[in-house]
Amino acid sequence: DAGVIQSPRHEVTEMGQEVTLRCKPISGHNSLFWYRQTMMRGLELLIYFNNNVPIDDSGMPEDRFSAKMPNASFSTLKIQPSEPRDSAVYFCASSLLGYSNQPQHFGDGTRLSIL
Amino acid sequence: ELKVEQNPLFLSMQEGKNYTIYCNYSTTSDRLYWYRQDPGKSLESLFVLLSNGAVKQEGRLMASLDTKARLSTLHITAAVHDLSATYFCAVDVNQAGTALIFGKGTTLSVSS
Repeated sequence: DAGVIQSPRHEVTEMGQEVTLRCKPISGHNSLFWYRQTMMRGLELLIYFNNNVPIDDSGMPEDRFSAKMPNASFSTLKIQPSEPRDSAVYFCASSLLGYSNQPQHFGDGTRLSIL
Repeated sequence: ELKVEQNPLFLSMQEGKNYTIYCNYSTTSDRLYWYRQDPGKSLESLFVLLSNGAVKQEGRLMASLDTKARLSTLHITAAVHDLSATYFCAVDVNQAGTALIFGKGTTLSVSS
């Protein structure tokens, strides 16, 4: 079975540019999560969706960040405008909520560098 | 503020030795997850612990959960080089599998 698929794997861009990260969750999963991982702050939950609806976006750092899930098989995380402090690895994860023994399954991540 | 503290943060072991990684957390929760991350890679689920006293074992790794003490342990038996990785515990703060708070991770290095 295909796992969570993220693209791009690496992104290098200049400050001020718009960045769009993409995620395809595991087929059949009903929840999707976006995380950010940095050395200083570790792994932080940014936002999660249940049945394509954003449920909790309290972890989104500021208005420059936005996330959408237009259908069950696709989500985007957008940063506009980007800043050097946004440099991090961004992970997408999906799970099947309602089944208590199911962990979140993570994608390979997008390593983002803002110059 | 919820805290999830792992210790040690760095662990250098010799092959064949045993050791335990500790995960303490500051809120009430009956659900805790352990993940493994290799350098530059994704997070791989190791264990899902869903109740007080839960114990799970896979190969040389064994995880347990004491919800009264707010403590989970990951025990490594007879370490081998392939276990070198960073191990994270994650506490489910709303008991629904959604709001996971991760520890800082324990980086394990096993040498011969």
